[in-house]
Amino acid sequence: DAGVIQSPRHEVTEMGQEVTLRCKPISGHDYLFWYRQTMMRGLELLIYFNNNVPIDDSGMPEDRFSAKMPNASFSTLKIQPSEPRDSAVYFCASSPGRLMNTEAFFGQGTRLTVV
Amino acid sequence: DQQVKQNSPSLSVQEGRISILNCDYTNSMFDYFLWYKKYPAEGPTFLISISSIKDKNEDGRFTVFLNKSAKHLSLHIVPSQPGDSAVYFCAASVAGTASKLTFGTGTRLQVTL
Repeated sequence: DAGVIQSPRHEVTEMGQEVTLRCKPISGHDYLFWYRQTMMRGLELLIYFNNNVPIDDSGMPEDRFSAKMPNASFSTLKIQPSEPRDSAVYFCASSPGRLMNTEAFFGQGTRLTVV
Repeated sequence: DQQVKQNSPSLSVQEGRISILNCDYTNSMFDYFLWYKKYPAEGPTFLISISSIKDKNEDGRFTVFLNKSAKHLSLHIVPSQPGDSAVYFCAASVAGTASKLTFGTGTRLQVTL
């Protein structure tokens, strides 16, 4: 398997524009997570899905952020409108979600810069 | 509030010596702990984990120690190698939450020659 695939790797956009980040999880994984990395807060969980259903979106900072998972192999994180403080690296991760706790597998991330 | 804390943002160690990275947590419900390593421009990769029923787990040069009463865990790397230079994240989860991880802010380890 190619691992978790994110696109784009880098995104530069102007304040007020809509930004869409994409993720393809590892095939067969039931859980998908969106994280944001900043210097001040490290890796923060934004939202996660189980079998395509959003389970916990308490980490989503504002209504400007939304995430969808239309099928088991694709998820998007959208920011509309974007603001400079949204600049960060956004990671998608997936895990098998077996009964025992297990590690999550991360994509390479999307570095978002909002100017 | 940071439920997982890594109070040392950076650490420098000579090659061949021991690296000790520390992590503290506040949520007593956490019962599974992980360390991830992250190189620049890459995603975090899993390194080693420990369940709360253990106090030590070893994998080659990497050992994780857990002190539940102190809500503290540490990662020991012996001997340290230049390729170990990376950012190390401590993470924790609660049973039954299937890898919903709470991360610390990371410690940047620099292994010098």
